[in-house]
Amino acid sequence: DVVLTQAPPTLSATIGQSVSISCRSSQSLLHSNGNTYLNWLLQRPGQPPQLLVYLVSRLESGVPNRFSGSGSGTDFTLKISGVEAEDLGVYYCVQSTHAPYTFGAGTKLELK
Amino acid sequence: QVTLKESGPGILQPSQTLSLTCTFSGFSLGTYGMGVGWIRQPSGKGLEWLANIWWDDDKYYNPSLKNRLTISKDTSNNQAFLKITNVDTADTATYYCVRENSGLDFTYWGQGTLVTVSS
Repeated sequence: DVVLTQAPPTLSATIGQSVSISCRSSQSLLHSNGNTYLNWLLQRPGQPPQLLVYLVSRLESGVPNRFSGSGSGTDFTLKISGVEAEDLGVYYCVQSTHAPYTFGAGTKLELK
Repeated sequence: QVTLKESGPGILQPSQTLSLTCTFSGFSLGTYGMGVGWIRQPSGKGLEWLANIWWDDDKYYNPSLKNRLTISKDTSNNQAFLKITNVDTADTATYYCVRENSGLDFTYWGQGTLVTVSS
């Protein structure tokens, strides 16, 4: 199975601060069809996860453009340019290139 | 508008079979490229993908639970099902179903159903 390693496990930020979350894969997430199926989710307390970014860098409809995704192959990053209070929660990367799909362990974003 | 809703027994005893239903609207499992997946999350812990089923009845399982999982669908009634046999306390979790769409797989989630395995 593909192992996704997220860092850091916890992130403390002030409102307006820019932060980044890393997701490293144990193998390339480039599919034979040329797509890289790496997604980023945010789970707020008591809620199901919501999709923020798909295909590495494409922003899901309705997601603020302070979120951005980048990377390729085995190294990926989610950046939040100016944290807002509504961004607090747990961020997960998840890959759907290889079966079984696998998730990172999560990064908890909290207020400093 | 795409919606999904999970339903399950709430509580069951060890060694029993867990039966989950995902009832959805806004898409069809008869449509090319569409699928439904199941994901679970123990309280306070991370997410684990379990299985998915596709429009053409292809099915994929997480090998770590494969022998215990059966996924199926009722296309006419817009439902997908997951059975987990021989449950134990480690299967206590919130179970989510998601729409899968050939690579765009995590856009739509149900609210989840909490399943507790306890004697």
